[in-house]
Amino acid sequence: SAVISQKPSRDICQRGTSLTIQCQVDSQVTMMFWYRQQPGQSLTLIATANQGSEATYESGFVIDKFPISRPNLTFSTLTVSNMSPEDSSIYLCSVRQENSYEQYFGPGTRLTVT
Amino acid sequence: EDQVTQSPEALRLQEGESSSLNCSYTVSGLRGLFWYRQDPGKGPEFLFTLYSAGEEKEKERLKATLTKKESFLHITAPKPEDSATYLCAVRSQETSGSRLTFGEGTQLTVNP
Repeated sequence: SAVISQKPSRDICQRGTSLTIQCQVDSQVTMMFWYRQQPGQSLTLIATANQGSEATYESGFVIDKFPISRPNLTFSTLTVSNMSPEDSSIYLCSVRQENSYEQYFGPGTRLTVT
Repeated sequence: EDQVTQSPEALRLQEGESSSLNCSYTVSGLRGLFWYRQDPGKGPEFLFTLYSAGEEKEKERLKATLTKKESFLHITAPKPEDSATYLCAVRSQETSGSRLTFGEGTQLTVNP
């Protein structure tokens, strides 16, 4: 399976600021996803990062709040904009290859908003 | 809407005490049920995929089984290093792309 890294691993941010999270994969992958895991809860899909086009957002998530880029087949970024304490979560990227439905996850970015 | 319910929420076992975790699901056309292990502060680690009722997969002390309504993760003679949160997820024919719907997880603690 692909090796996935995320930066930063954790951060503490002030309310009203923005944070960009990077996801790097060591090989080209067909699909990349961004998930949120709020404290004590399970994973919720934010969006599918599409290479060369706008991301596909799930219900309840909007581009203005969570802009996503995917400039190539190994890299994606998620920005959490105008943060509030409710955005405190672990943000995870995952990847999927074309011939498989298994998703593999990065180590996550733990975000705390004060 | 796809739904996944895992039970119990938490489970404490003594080393060597076998048990099972349950994942009940409601989907419109199952296109895969996935088991993951998540250690504290880490991303989920893929364990198994099951596609059809009757299918079984094994890995070391873990065995996953699937029926039309639920999946079980059997843990045989667990060790303390098996302590983790185990997550179940489903993909259905109605979901767009590869969206997985996750359950809340079972937090397993194995005491030496």
